[in-house]
Amino acid sequence: DGGITQSPKYLFRKEGQNVTLSCEQNLNHDAMYWYRQDPGQGLRLIYYSQIVNDFQKGDIAEGYSVSREKKESFPLTVTSAQKNPTAFYLCASSITRGTQPQHFGDGTRLSIL
Amino acid sequence: DAKTTQPPSMDCAEGRAANLPCNHSTISGNEYVYWYRQIHSQGPQYIIHGLKNNETNEMASLIITEDRKSSTLILPHATLRDTAVYYCIVRVGGSGYSTLTFGKGTMLLVSP
Repeated sequence: DGGITQSPKYLFRKEGQNVTLSCEQNLNHDAMYWYRQDPGQGLRLIYYSQIVNDFQKGDIAEGYSVSREKKESFPLTVTSAQKNPTAFYLCASSITRGTQPQHFGDGTRLSIL
Repeated sequence: DAKTTQPPSMDCAEGRAANLPCNHSTISGNEYVYWYRQIHSQGPQYIIHGLKNNETNEMASLIITEDRKSSTLILPHATLRDTAVYYCIVRVGGSGYSTLTFGKGTMLLVSP
């Protein structure tokens, strides 16, 4: 079955450490997205990519970085510059830029030790 | 994108219809109404969307008022597994980068 796989499901980070969250999709979608969700809140867009080797900042990109070297993969790095990284991170994809619906992975929950 | 207003929570008995309202009084003519739901600790799941006409699929029905200022998502026979946060989103379809602005949604609790 096609879908989006995020790993790991739970991740712990020490202060000052960079961590990378994995997102892989086998839906042959061009567009991919990263969202952050805080408790009781909606989703906020971190980065999005419309096509391989292209990505754009979303609303809260500071302290995060991404790459899109392959169509299937869109990893997110949470850097030490992100002062409040504890959150639920969601990866999504859609067929092309501007299309709906978006398909979501099951998320990675990041916590600070 | 137009803003939406949803009740923070609703209850429904198992087997009964769940009717979730959404107000979007500032919706534009080219904006679609989308519904997603999020079960605890999982990613959001697309349910249904529509522009003007009522829509139905295997999961739910979407009723959009004639003036398009509000809509209702109907789960015809709610089960315990339908307990989730339901998000109503209004946005232009097919243009611009496709991000979704999720508000706080409606927490639907289905009870036995």
